Amino acid sequence: AAGVIQSPRHLIKEKRETATLKCYPIPRHDTVYWYQQGPGQDPQFLISFYEKMQSDKGSIPDRFSAQQFSDYHSELNMSSLELGDSALYFCASTHDREGAYTGELFFGEGSRLTVL
Amino acid sequence: AQTVTQSQPEMSVQEAETVTLSCTYDTSENNYYLFWYKQPPSRQMILVIRQEAYKQQNATENRFSVNFQKAAKSFSLKISDSQLGDTAMYFCAFMKQWRTRDDKIIFGKGTRLHILP
Repeated sequence: AAGVIQSPRHLIKEKRETATLKCYPIPRHDTVYWYQQGPGQDPQFLISFYEKMQSDKGSIPDRFSAQQFSDYHSELNMSSLELGDSALYFCASTHDREGAYTGELFFGEGSRLTVL
Repeated sequence: AQTVTQSQPEMSVQEAETVTLSCTYDTSENNYYLFWYKQPPSRQMILVIRQEAYKQQNATENRFSVNFQKAAKSFSLKISDSQLGDTAMYFCAFMKQWRTRDDKIIFGKGTRLHILP
């Protein structure tokens, strides 16, 4: 079965550069969540989307922006990168729009961002 | 706001033993979901088990089972016949009903579990 696909899996950037992470949810899923997990930390919620609209916003810096496109994939754009942005970024998807909600949330393998 | 508390930062058990990981949560919601996620060194987030709050029966997945006490807001994970591959960070997580306000998944701080040979 298709899973949540995140790209790139690894990314190395310099301070003050820009990075874009992509998330392709499970086919027919219409809800996407983004999380940031620093080393030794629990995942922190950044932002979520439902049906291409922003649904909820967490501790996402103003330097970050995100959107969900017409094909339901999502992109997280990060500008003016700082050393503290080095983390694992997870995307998760849920809700088959052709079925009922089942409470299942599926995570991608994450994108590891290193800022030098 | 919902909170999830895992009081055991780290645990170690011998292979083949049974281990229980604790989790408590706080919410005023009546309908919600609870999860245990496993994060091995690869850092992939793997769903271990899921419990729907409206179900009284405790969820079970092979060697993994939960003790869900809704009134006490407790959701512990029991791993039976532990295996070396169970070594990982385990996160307890809470999620409100989908499409309610603030329906993101909230994680506890995690319990690092070591299975010793």
